[in-house]
Amino acid sequence: DVKVTQSSRYLVKRTGEKVFLECVQDMDHENMFWYRQDPGLGLRLIYFSYDVKMKEKGDIPEGYSVSREKKERFSLILESASTNQTSMYLCASSYPRPYNEQFFGPGTRLTVL
Amino acid sequence: AQKITQTQPGMFVQEKEAVTLDCTYDTSDPSYGLFWYKQPSSGEMIFLIYQGSYDQQNATEGRYSLNFQKARKSANLVISASQLGDSAMYFCAMRDDTGGFKTIFGAGTRLFVKA
Repeated sequence: DVKVTQSSRYLVKRTGEKVFLECVQDMDHENMFWYRQDPGLGLRLIYFSYDVKMKEKGDIPEGYSVSREKKERFSLILESASTNQTSMYLCASSYPRPYNEQFFGPGTRLTVL
Repeated sequence: AQKITQTQPGMFVQEKEAVTLDCTYDTSDPSYGLFWYKQPSSGEMIFLIYQGSYDQQNATEGRYSLNFQKARKSANLVISASQLGDSAMYFCAMRDDTGGFKTIFGAGTRLFVKA
């Protein structure tokens, strides 16, 4: 079975802190994604990566950066956390084709105080 | 711009009955893929079913079927014989092939199955 793990289920940080969210997948997937989920808004894509050291901006990249140094690991970084980044963060991975169904991690609920 | 619309914030269905969750989409790309995911209260997203834009037949996976009406740009999920465990959030999503691997999601529909 595909397994996508995220470093924390719950995280509480203070405004201005640098925050690292880690995601690891064990199925050798090329593609990896970071979403944030907010009530009434569904999932919004922050960044995605289709290869090591490659990254593409999603719909809401402002205030975030990512790192993919190894194929299995995709990190989301909040350079200076703000209260409006309080959200559920979901990581996903997929093969490039044929139809790239995404496999999701359990999510990290981040609260920024 | 691509868009996914789910107009039903919440739905109720009686156990053992069928239910249809609505999804409409907007894209100018002739090649795209449509997905449905389930998110139980535990939070993990679970892939349910996929429909490609060139597929001639509606997709089916067990109790799930996708009612694909290309001209109307709709991709409704039909769950037959609802079970209590079907209570969850359901998200419709679309992969736009001109955007590479980017997938956009709708706002979701919360389904409540009543005993």
